[in-house]
Amino acid sequence: DGGITQSPKYLFRKEGQNVTLSCEQNLNHDAMYWYRQDPGQGLRLIYYSQIVNDFQKGDIAEGYSVSREKKESFPLTVTSAQKNPTAFYLCASSIDLAGGPYNEQFFGPGTRLTVL
Amino acid sequence: QKEVEQNSGPLSVPEGAIASLNCTYSDRVSQSFFWYRQYSGKSPELIMSIYSNGDKEDGRFTAQLNKASQYVSLLIRDSQPSDSATYLCAVGSYNTDKLIFGTGTRLQVFP
Repeated sequence: DGGITQSPKYLFRKEGQNVTLSCEQNLNHDAMYWYRQDPGQGLRLIYYSQIVNDFQKGDIAEGYSVSREKKESFPLTVTSAQKNPTAFYLCASSIDLAGGPYNEQFFGPGTRLTVL
Repeated sequence: QKEVEQNSGPLSVPEGAIASLNCTYSDRVSQSFFWYRQYSGKSPELIMSIYSNGDKEDGRFTAQLNKASQYVSLLIRDSQPSDSATYLCAVGSYNTDKLIFGTGTRLQVFP
């Protein structure tokens, strides 16, 4: 089955801890994205990447870090510097970053992070 | 002005009716338009893509695009209670690397 997997589904973090959210895709997509969704709000872009070992900040990158060591994987670390990390985190991928049909984005099932 | 605007709803329609969801966007050079359905607690699911002016039909769904007026709409015919969800509009252009999402319209279909 082709698709995007995210783990864990639920994650609880104590204040001051760093946590890493996993995202893997076997769609052979070049581009991958991380979004954050808060209740009643739209999707906000955290980071995105088009190729291995390269990534760009999105609109709300502060307090987050990413890596892209493999085409299939794009993990997100929520650091202790992120002041309000409780949210639903969504990973997505697309064939390409370019406009037009190549940037149809497909989402993983999400990780719900709660700070205790 | 928000880049992609949607009425938050809820839009309530009876079962069997046509639900009409609207989205306006501000970037005139936008080229790609998408509708996602998001059930409560779940991730968004792509249901329609449209790139040219006019209508595009897929089953009970029809996407309509009017670039001159900068709006895109989604019609759901024969609405079912299972269509009750939040519908997100997303817009992309060759000028940017990313999609811009609206905040979504919540649709409620009642029996």
